[in-house]
Amino acid sequence: DGGITQSPKYLFRKEGQNVTLSCEQNLNHDAMYWYRQDPGQGLRLIYYSQIVNDFQKGDIAEGYSVSREKKESFPLTVTSAQKNPTAFYLCASSEQAWSTDTQYFGPGTRLTVL
Amino acid sequence: AQTVTQSQPEMSVQEAETVTLSCTYDTSESDYYLFWYKQPPSRQMILVIRQEAYKQQNATENRFSVNFQKAAKSFSLKISDSQLGDAAMYFCAYRSADDMRFGAGTRLTVKP
Repeated sequence: DGGITQSPKYLFRKEGQNVTLSCEQNLNHDAMYWYRQDPGQGLRLIYYSQIVNDFQKGDIAEGYSVSREKKESFPLTVTSAQKNPTAFYLCASSEQAWSTDTQYFGPGTRLTVL
Repeated sequence: AQTVTQSQPEMSVQEAETVTLSCTYDTSESDYYLFWYKQPPSRQMILVIRQEAYKQQNATENRFSVNFQKAAKSFSLKISDSQLGDAAMYFCAYRSADDMRFGAGTRLTVKP
């Protein structure tokens, strides 16, 4: 089955720690995205990648970092610089970036800072 | 920056009846897509329907249809014959060649 997987489903972090959220897709999509969802709000774009070894900041990139060493993988690191990291994080992919292609989403990771 | 507005934080519908969710957007682009996504309690975002801005005909997917008014920048979702499984958060989204925006969502409750 083709799709997007995210792990872990739930993640707990102590203040001051960096954590990495995993996102893998086997859809052979070029583009991948990371969104943050807070209660009562829509999705906000953190980072996106149009192609391997390339990525761009979204609207709320501060305190986050990404890498794109393989086409199928786009991990997100939440650093200690992120002031309020508790949120639901969604990864998405599309055939091409910014071509009006439909984005398909993974099941998400719920991050809680203790 | 483009904005997407969903003015109804919550909506309720009786099972088997019809409900319409509203969405307006602001853009100066001529080429864009509009989407409705459903997010059930599992929180998986599921594509419900999409509309290409250049198409005048409203998109339809089984019980889901849209009313796309390009001049008014309005994109409403109609759910016919509502089912209990339709209960979820619904997000309207706008996508252009260099931007993707989501509305704040409408929580739909379906009453048996």
